[in-house]
Amino acid sequence: AQSVTQPDIHITVSEGASLELRCNYSYGATPYLFWYVQSPGQGLQLLLKYFSGDTLVQGIKGFEAEFKRSQSSFNLRKPSVHWSDAAEYFCAVGTGNQFYFGTGTSLTVIP
Amino acid sequence: EAQVTQNPRYLITVTGKKLTVTCSQNMNHEYMSWYRQDPGLGLRQIYYSMNVEVTDKGDVPEGYKVSRKEKRNFPLILESPSPNQTSLYFCASRRQGGNTEAFFGQGTRLTVV
Repeated sequence: AQSVTQPDIHITVSEGASLELRCNYSYGATPYLFWYVQSPGQGLQLLLKYFSGDTLVQGIKGFEAEFKRSQSSFNLRKPSVHWSDAAEYFCAVGTGNQFYFGTGTSLTVIP
Repeated sequence: EAQVTQNPRYLITVTGKKLTVTCSQNMNHEYMSWYRQDPGLGLRQIYYSMNVEVTDKGDVPEGYKVSRKEKRNFPLILESPSPNQTSLYFCASRRQGGNTEAFFGQGTRLTVV
């Protein structure tokens, strides 16, 4: 069965520090992978997506993610976090019928 | 502007009083779905629809109904709401296929007392 695991429920980083949010998936076929961000009181916005090809994908707001098939991972990274990045982040796997989301990682940014 | 519109954004109701949350998309997407978001549980799919008149259960369908009479609309119906349905609800749409992103509405925060 398909599943997505985000092992970190909550992460706190200092503004300007680097960030990595972890995501592991379980899916039998070629995965279509996504990262979404949810700012407080808002809906979900797509940060980036991976379908095929280059395993390092660039997204909006300076985020990037690397697909590692051997580790079944799709970790999200940002070299320097801004206070406005504080939000909830969701990793997802897309199939023909459904989207499977992880439980999310809440990011706090301290000055 | 491409968007998914949910109404209402906020709703407080009493146990047992039927309610409908509307969802409409203007992107001609075949696929629409409903999720509920609860702390520590992430987003769980309630129902989805692959096209008009085609709906199927997601992971947590109990207590909910949906219909897809038109391509653009996918209302969520709670026939007899209960307090455990207090949650944040999201509607989403996307084109058919696994390699398509989902577009989300702004969410509906429902409280059942």
